[in-house]
Amino acid sequence: EPEVTQTPSHQVTQMGQEVILRCVPISNHLYFYWYRQILGQKVEFLVSFYNNEISEKSEIFDDQFSVERPDGSNFTLKIRSTKLEDSAMYFCASSFPSSGDQYFGPGTRLLVL
Amino acid sequence: AQSVAQPEDQVNVAEGNPLTVKCTYSVSGNPYLFWYVQYPNRGLQFLLKYITGDNLVKGSYGFEAEFNKSQTSFHLKKPSALVSDSALYFCAVRDIGQGNNRLAFGKGNQVVVIP
Repeated sequence: EPEVTQTPSHQVTQMGQEVILRCVPISNHLYFYWYRQILGQKVEFLVSFYNNEISEKSEIFDDQFSVERPDGSNFTLKIRSTKLEDSAMYFCASSFPSSGDQYFGPGTRLLVL
Repeated sequence: AQSVAQPEDQVNVAEGNPLTVKCTYSVSGNPYLFWYVQYPNRGLQFLLKYITGDNLVKGSYGFEAEFNKSQTSFHLKKPSALVSDSALYFCAVRDIGQGNNRLAFGKGNQVVVIP
């Protein structure tokens, strides 16, 4: 069964550094999402992406964040200058079509020191 | 804005007994409702959804959920729990009236099935 994959599984970084989280969505899916889960808290929506542009973003997704689909298969989340409060599990998801079920990857656990 | 409440932190149930995980939601329009399960060190796995039609929906691994519009609830049920059902369960809602795709999740319920 096709799966969403994410790399790396864990990342440790210093505050102020840039990180790029990578996702490979399911191949025929057209809608892509990032969510995050701070330890002990709810899963929160960050951004959705369709047709090479952001279709929706939450208030969390500020100028420090950006998303890109650089090569038709990968979907990346970049955090330009990480803060301590960015430490969380980041989940990528994809769906087809827009009203379809969102399939989630295993997550990347980001720790900012 | 859409939101979900999962009132219990942990649900303990003996193996073989019925399992219920509660969820209530709030939306301005019509809801799409979902249940996901998360096993340790794994991503969120889709269990089932309600979009329209029968209020009782059946999903993976013997789980089912009942949509109750008047009570704005979507409780997850399983008639006979297994030890392997021990995991974190998330309810989520998408507000069709808002015209967006975002899912709003509850805080999750830890289910512990006792052998």
